[in-house]
Amino acid sequence: QVQLVQSGAEVKKPGASVKVSCKASGYTFTTYGLSWVRQAPGQGLEWMGWISPYNANTHYAQKLQGRVTVTTDTSTSTAYMELRSLRSDDTAVYYCARAAPGPHFDYWGQGTLVTVSS
Amino acid sequence: EIVMTQSPATLSVSPGESATLSCRASQSVSSNLAWYQQKPGQAPRLLIYGASTRATGIPARFSGSGSGTEFTLTISSLQSEDFAVYYCQQYNNWPLTFGQGTRLEIK
Repeated sequence: QVQLVQSGAEVKKPGASVKVSCKASGYTFTTYGLSWVRQAPGQGLEWMGWISPYNANTHYAQKLQGRVTVTTDTSTSTAYMELRSLRSDDTAVYYCARAAPGPHFDYWGQGTLVTVSS
Repeated sequence: EIVMTQSPATLSVSPGESATLSCRASQSVSSNLAWYQQKPGQAPRLLIYGASTRATGIPARFSGSGSGTEFTLTISSLQSEDFAVYYCQQYNNWPLTFGQGTRLEIK
């Protein structure tokens, strides 16, 4: 069965960087894209970026362009999301999601809470 | 960027009744629209894609309709487990965008 397992919660100081991982299993990693979506406390869903593990093509939300990088390691079927220059309003649960053709998101990771606090 | 607007923000419905949730796009997204359900403390779950195709394992009481800029998610005969927050998402253009969500609560 398809599973996306994310790394654990992080606490970071403003200005620092965070890198969240998402290990995929149960399907051929290179045949589906992967996206990252975040959700601030009590707020809605915000799409952050997308990557094709097949050819490493990426798309990013303009709001985060320059601060976020999405990568994959096809040897371990793992995707990574790095967010730099963290601010307090980056405090959120970060989800990875498998991107079915479209893309829309048919499987989701369990979420990783990133807290940014001095 | 395409702005997705959901209405109403909160919908109060009694179990056993039907609920109709709306999603409007600021420009045409063709049928490239998905609906998700999210319960507290859980990741979102895909319900509908292609505006009207139910995802694997989704009960028939969930149905989606619409194209272009106006979309509807209808949930018939509401069950207790259906009370949650629902999001629409367009995937016609980059950047991908979500609506702000509709909270479906028990009346």
